Amino acid sequence: QKEVEQDPGPLSVPEGAIVSLNCTYSNSAFQYFMWYRQYSRKGPELLMYTYSSGNKEDGRFTAQVDKSSKYISLFIRDSQPSDSATYLCAMREAAGNKLTFGGGTRVLVKP
Amino acid sequence: GAGVSQSPSNKVTEKGKDVELRCDPISGHTALYWYRQSLGQGLEFLIYFQGNSAPDKSGLPSDRFSAERTGGSVSTLTIQRTQQEDSAVYLCASSLGYGGAGSFYEQYFGPGTRLTVT
Repeated sequence: QKEVEQDPGPLSVPEGAIVSLNCTYSNSAFQYFMWYRQYSRKGPELLMYTYSSGNKEDGRFTAQVDKSSKYISLFIRDSQPSDSATYLCAMREAAGNKLTFGGGTRVLVKP
Repeated sequence: GAGVSQSPSNKVTEKGKDVELRCDPISGHTALYWYRQSLGQGLEFLIYFQGNSAPDKSGLPSDRFSAERTGGSVSTLTIQRTQQEDSAVYLCASSLGYGGAGSFYEQYFGPGTRLTVT
């Protein structure tokens, strides 16, 4: 079993809908939780990160972390066709910067 | 400013040949990472370099894989005697520092090198 599990999708939504993504993990030592966006044939780019539990909002994006359930989520409001990409969750322990990634969820936002 | 660059962007090689992949990190970034992204395994950590410290090689899948970082800047990932299962996208990332407890340094990724072993 992988340390971080993520549904591969694809997740198809109409433009303007809310996109809901999530990951589960097994390593209770993870303290930093990140979401990356990756367009085809490009490297991942960081969208948001959170430390420990709680919510964080940045524009149309909201990240949630529930450490008791070992579950993290990313919500994208008012989705746009330009949001069509693969979304990767990533995690790391308190010290160091070695990231463990989920497998990624492919999202398609249809006009 | 310039981001992380990688070369070549694509590489096709025959099984058994050696390949070298290059990464130019963002200037001033002390930490450099190599990852591999494949369909079956997702994005996996391979190795990282931080300043003058010994590299963390814990993610290298076999002794056919090695990497070096010269002068604290450019890095080369070498795969010897390539196998078909080595086919993947090899991604390099760099960060301004290497996070200690309570600190966060964003990793900036390059576009990757797509390796195909025939």
